[in-house]
Amino acid sequence: SYVLTQPPSVSVAPGQTARITCEGYNIGSKSVHWYRQKPGQAPFLVVYDDTDRPSGIPERFSGSKYGITATLTISRVEAGDEADYYCQLWDTNIDHGIFGGGTKLTVL
Amino acid sequence: EVQLVESGGGVVQPGGSLRLSCAASGFSFSDYSMNWVRQAPGRGLEWVSYIRTSSSLIYYADSVKGRFTVSRDDARNSLYLQMSSLGAEDTAVYFCARTSTTFFDLWGQGTLVTVSS
Repeated sequence: SYVLTQPPSVSVAPGQTARITCEGYNIGSKSVHWYRQKPGQAPFLVVYDDTDRPSGIPERFSGSKYGITATLTISRVEAGDEADYYCQLWDTNIDHGIFGGGTKLTVL
Repeated sequence: EVQLVESGGGVVQPGGSLRLSCAASGFSFSDYSMNWVRQAPGRGLEWVSYIRTSSSLIYYADSVKGRFTVSRDDARNSLYLQMSSLGAEDTAVYFCARTSTTFFDLWGQGTLVTVSS
């Protein structure tokens, strides 16, 4: 089955830039979406279709994709950005939703 | 207010059954495909099931296929997940999520299912 690989953890100091990667075979042909989840809360969409932001999501959040890697970039990181982040896509070959394993962002 | 509210979780014995519900409000439920996504304690997100509008297409993760049944009642603005032959591996928080093309743009707060004797 299709696998999305994320680093388990990323650490960054406040004000710096965090980059969270998501690798998958032939990911270039699929739309990648990103979610934030804080402890005890439901996931929340922060980027969809590789690069688009839902209304209300700050411009500090951006998505990109190159080769087999999609990346969520959070600029000017704040303490409130500390959370788990998941990438996701829809595998049209088997009609299944696929999530990456998640990345815990720690703000130092 | 646009929201999804799950209910029906609880403690169930191995081999037992449980039915989860998801009540939608604030939007035209019948116009949207819906999903169930679960999260085992301390683990990541796992997609469980998808149901298209009018129940015209239904998909399941391999881990639940043959044991879980998704359904919807558009007149009641509700989504359901009938779960049977439950095992410890099904212990998780179950979220319902609204689909927009291929992403999940609205999530409920989740309901906890614990399979234990």
